[in-house]
Amino acid sequence: ETGVTQTPRHLVMGMTNKKSLKCEQHLGHNAMYWYKQSAKKPLELMFVYNFKEQTENNSVPSRFSPECPNSSHLFLHLHTLQPEDSALYLCATAEGQGTTYEQYFGPGTRLTVT
Amino acid sequence: QKEVEQDPGPLSVPEGAIVSLNCTYSNSAFQYFMWYRQYSRKGPELLMYTYSSGNKEDGRFTAQVDKSSKYISLFIRDSQPSDSATYLCAMSGSSGSARQLTFGSGTQLTVLP
Repeated sequence: ETGVTQTPRHLVMGMTNKKSLKCEQHLGHNAMYWYKQSAKKPLELMFVYNFKEQTENNSVPSRFSPECPNSSHLFLHLHTLQPEDSALYLCATAEGQGTTYEQYFGPGTRLTVT
Repeated sequence: QKEVEQDPGPLSVPEGAIVSLNCTYSNSAFQYFMWYRQYSRKGPELLMYTYSSGNKEDGRFTAQVDKSSKYISLFIRDSQPSDSATYLCAMSGSSGSARQLTFGSGTQLTVLP
């Protein structure tokens, strides 16, 4: 295991539901990321937190709302999603400083919007 | 034009074959080049990391970067069925404290026993 866990692993939700994805890391890293992975497409960076501060919002629709309450946890709150939001949502962490580039990924949450 | 282009495959080879995976990119600011491997139902994991141009070898894996051509490669020698996965190239520039990576779309590789 990479030290990054994500729950739930699978989620099916209707377009009017509200749900949250959770990411937890045990690596002591300072940078945390949300990515969206769709079939045959590159990983899309959604949000970046560094030292608990949001440093990047990659033009993500407001129906996705991130939260980073502490350095170990990252949430992605979902509401009124669209079917095209169905994808694998990956959380990743990195040291957040210096020259290291390695990002450690969780196993992802497979989201299906019906 | 995408910043990073990667042939999605799928690529299917017999066990023992040499595999060549490639990416091209357009952003000349990229200095750091990585290959991630993603098994089914798992998140990506870092396989190889190279700074600037040159070669790097790690066991059966060799990463090559040609910045003049904006072209990177990953070679797998003596491929094994356990190498069956999706391989993602990723790149980054040199600025920023929370490093951001730009990924290719991934190449799905199957090594047949």
